[in-house]
Amino acid sequence: KQEVTQIPAALSVPEGENLVLNCSFTDSAIYNLQWFRQDPGKGLTSLLLIQSSQREQTSGRLNASLDKSSGRSTLYIAASQPGDSATYLCAVRSGGSYIPTFGRGTSLIVHP
Amino acid sequence: DVKVTQSSRYLVKRTGEKVFLECVQDMDHENMFWYRQDPGLGLRLIYFSYDVKMKEKGDIPEGYSVSREKKERFSLILESASTNQTSMYLCASTLLTGSLETQYFGPGTRLLVL
Repeated sequence: KQEVTQIPAALSVPEGENLVLNCSFTDSAIYNLQWFRQDPGKGLTSLLLIQSSQREQTSGRLNASLDKSSGRSTLYIAASQPGDSATYLCAVRSGGSYIPTFGRGTSLIVHP
Repeated sequence: DVKVTQSSRYLVKRTGEKVFLECVQDMDHENMFWYRQDPGLGLRLIYFSYDVKMKEKGDIPEGYSVSREKKERFSLILESASTNQTSMYLCASTLLTGSLETQYFGPGTRLLVL
């Protein structure tokens, strides 16, 4: 059974820092991996989706990488801003399943 | 712009009441999901539907049922609400095909059972 772990569980950084959030998974036979953002009391918003054949995806200040062999993905946020404060979740969809497995998220605070 | 809507943002119910949570998507997606989210436990899948009238149990189906009579609508039913069902409920949908599908979420329903 796929297991997804996100480290750290919480992170507090000053504005302007570049930061890396980590997601690891136990079964490398994945179909895709998706990064989400969740603001307090709200639903999840998709940030980036990486197919199993891809190594990375970029959107603005966000860059997500995927290394299937090591069972890892990272979300890189450049020049962090207070508006980036949120919980970031990764979800892995394994081959042969419609159902993604979610990590528990990293709670990020960017302080001015 | 893609849209998943949920019938209520906040709901307060009494123990023993029958509760209906509705989710509607306008993207013609085959797959729809109901999750609950609790602090320290993350997202847990309650039920999943891959087509009209088709459903599969997720990790925590006990105390819940679902209905999917039309492709765009997926309802979660709490047959007899209990206090341990106080939670944030999230609905999501995806297309059936391809590795490009993105999971879209609704805004969530925060349910309090007294």
